[in-house]
Amino acid sequence: DADVTQTPRNRITKTGKRIMLECSQTKGHDRMYWYRQDPGLGLQLIYYSFDVKDINKGEISDGYSVSRQAQAKFSLSLESAIPNQTALYFCATSDQTSGNQGEQFFGPGTRLTVL
Amino acid sequence: GQSLEQPSEVTAVEGAIVQINCTYQTSGFYGLSWYQQHDGGAPTFLSYNGLDGLEETGRFSSFLSRSDSYGYLLLQELQMKDSASYFCAVSWGFKTIFGAGTRLFVKA
Repeated sequence: DADVTQTPRNRITKTGKRIMLECSQTKGHDRMYWYRQDPGLGLQLIYYSFDVKDINKGEISDGYSVSRQAQAKFSLSLESAIPNQTALYFCATSDQTSGNQGEQFFGPGTRLTVL
Repeated sequence: GQSLEQPSEVTAVEGAIVQINCTYQTSGFYGLSWYQQHDGGAPTFLSYNGLDGLEETGRFSSFLSRSDSYGYLLLQELQMKDSASYFCAVSWGFKTIFGAGTRLFVKA
């Protein structure tokens, strides 16, 4: 079984709709992250969380919100989707040891298309 | 601001050695990481340099020089399966910034 899972894997929606992307992990890591990847660009950090009570904005948080429901679950919401939010979204995890050594573990990604 | 620069594409022949460079304009970070991403796949961690110098992991080596704001990933004995995108990233433990990636094409 995959250590970091994301649902859905693909989603097509319309402008103005609310969308939630979910991430679950069985690695027991305390740190979780949401990234966005556009073609030809690297990964841009949207939000990160160090534990259930800790949520922090990343580089491109506008238009997004997150919820850390439990240590193992971190969801990303687009309250009112717009076409330029069409991208590949990755969830990632790390613990203090791996995080301090630059290693994050990524989920398989969610391909989101906003029409 | 904080930025990392990598070549957009590199092409090499199977069995050869290739070096992918990464220059950065940021400071105070813990270390430099490298990730591999195949088309349609998730990024996977390759290596990390917390200190200046060379780190070797099998066919892959990575180097960091903080004084030169420069690092590189060296891939030896290239195989067709090494065709992928490679990202450098700087991390502060709690946050990581990625470069735009280098697309490596390995030819037979």
